[in-house]
Amino acid sequence: GAGVSQSPSNKVTEKGKDVELRCDPISGHTALYWYRQSLGQGLEFLIYFQGNSAPDKSGLPSDRFSAERTGGSVSTLTIQRTQQEDSAVYLCASSLDGTGGYGYTFGSGTRLTVV
Amino acid sequence: QKEVEQNSGPLSVPEGAIASLNCTYSDRVSQSFFWYRQYSGKSPELIMSIYSNGDKEDGRFTAQLNKASQYVSLLIRDSQPSDSATYLCAVFYSGGYQKVTFGTGTKLQVIP
Repeated sequence: GAGVSQSPSNKVTEKGKDVELRCDPISGHTALYWYRQSLGQGLEFLIYFQGNSAPDKSGLPSDRFSAERTGGSVSTLTIQRTQQEDSAVYLCASSLDGTGGYGYTFGSGTRLTVV
Repeated sequence: QKEVEQNSGPLSVPEGAIASLNCTYSDRVSQSFFWYRQYSGKSPELIMSIYSNGDKEDGRFTAQLNKASQYVSLLIRDSQPSDSATYLCAVFYSGGYQKVTFGTGTKLQVIP
């Protein structure tokens, strides 16, 4: 597609429920990243996929968070047993590759509210 | 810990003035530097990238890099109210950290 597509754009969920957030990167981009941004805060790295390599999960805050990337394209971030502190905007970004020579293109984000 | 530091601001400049945004980073093993603009309620948008020491100009924007001082800056000439946003500095670290680290951003306010 022309840009990075994320869905849903907004999600309100009850505490304890599971949620799935979806990211469809730019076609041909091999690198895909998930970040989250809490209100008034900076970008917090969550996870990184590069091609067929094992993902870098070093930023996932707890084992309630997981992500997968199928066929080197679409990615899903799953949060199990959501907590109020999970409320944030979850941003997906893709890049042509993971060498650092290219910046990221971000999607418009998913605003998650846990009530 | 790799770090990217920015003054959170807000930085207020009058319309038409030069806005100067600064960023320092903690590790010399870095190779790519980026500036992103983030409007309130929107996602970050890449506006400048720089890879070697010196200046890089693109329209009203100039990025400056000094690797010896571990310092990168963004100058915005003829600032406009539409430039009011948060500007994020980002550094790509090589050597195992195959991802970009973002600063917390500087909020810029251009006063008409």
